[in-house]
Amino acid sequence: AQTVTQSQPEMSVQEAETVTLSCTYDTSESDYYLFWYKQPPSRQMILVIRQEAYKQQNATENRFSVNFQKAAKSFSLKISDSQLGDAAMYFCAYSGGGADGLTFGKGTHLIIQP
Amino acid sequence: GAGVSQSPRYKVAKRGQDVALRCDPISGHVSLFWYQQALGQGPEFLTYFQNEAQLDKSGLPSDRFFAERPEGSVSTLKIQRTQQEDSAVYLCASSLNRGPADTQYFGPGTRLTVL
Repeated sequence: AQTVTQSQPEMSVQEAETVTLSCTYDTSESDYYLFWYKQPPSRQMILVIRQEAYKQQNATENRFSVNFQKAAKSFSLKISDSQLGDAAMYFCAYSGGGADGLTFGKGTHLIIQP
Repeated sequence: GAGVSQSPRYKVAKRGQDVALRCDPISGHVSLFWYQQALGQGPEFLTYFQNEAQLDKSGLPSDRFFAERPEGSVSTLKIQRTQQEDSAVYLCASSLNRGPADTQYFGPGTRLTVL
């Protein structure tokens, strides 16, 4: 079974600074998909960014980018120019291997210091 | 357009009661998922529907949990004889098609508290 590990329960960053959230996963599959979801206190999960494992190029979405290291099974999220609205729980998720649902990590609570 | 909606947003039940949680997916989305999110944890997969067919229920924790999607749109997750360990947020998600590549869109969840 696939597993996703987020080793940072909480991270804190000053507004306008850059922060990197870590995620590692375990799979024997070669074709899969990785996601970062944001869950603000209102609880609705919002997709931040996604990465296809077959793509070597790291995904970027405005201030959000990933560092995808397939061999190391690592998928970190970098948030540049942090804003107060970025404060939330961030979940790394894996999709693939014949499973129908997403496999989530335990999440990282991101705090933005004004 | 409208996103995924869930009702009720909050539900308090006494131990032993039955509850029903509703999910309205995005119109036209083929796939529908239910997840359980315990306090301080990431969501865990419960069950999956493709249209009205329940194709995967491997994550349902016991036979007290039952889900249906009879017309391929609205889905209901029913928990019979609720126990305290059932207290969690129940999230519903939908995606346009089937497959690991499809992005799942989540609803706001139903927070269930069993006393």
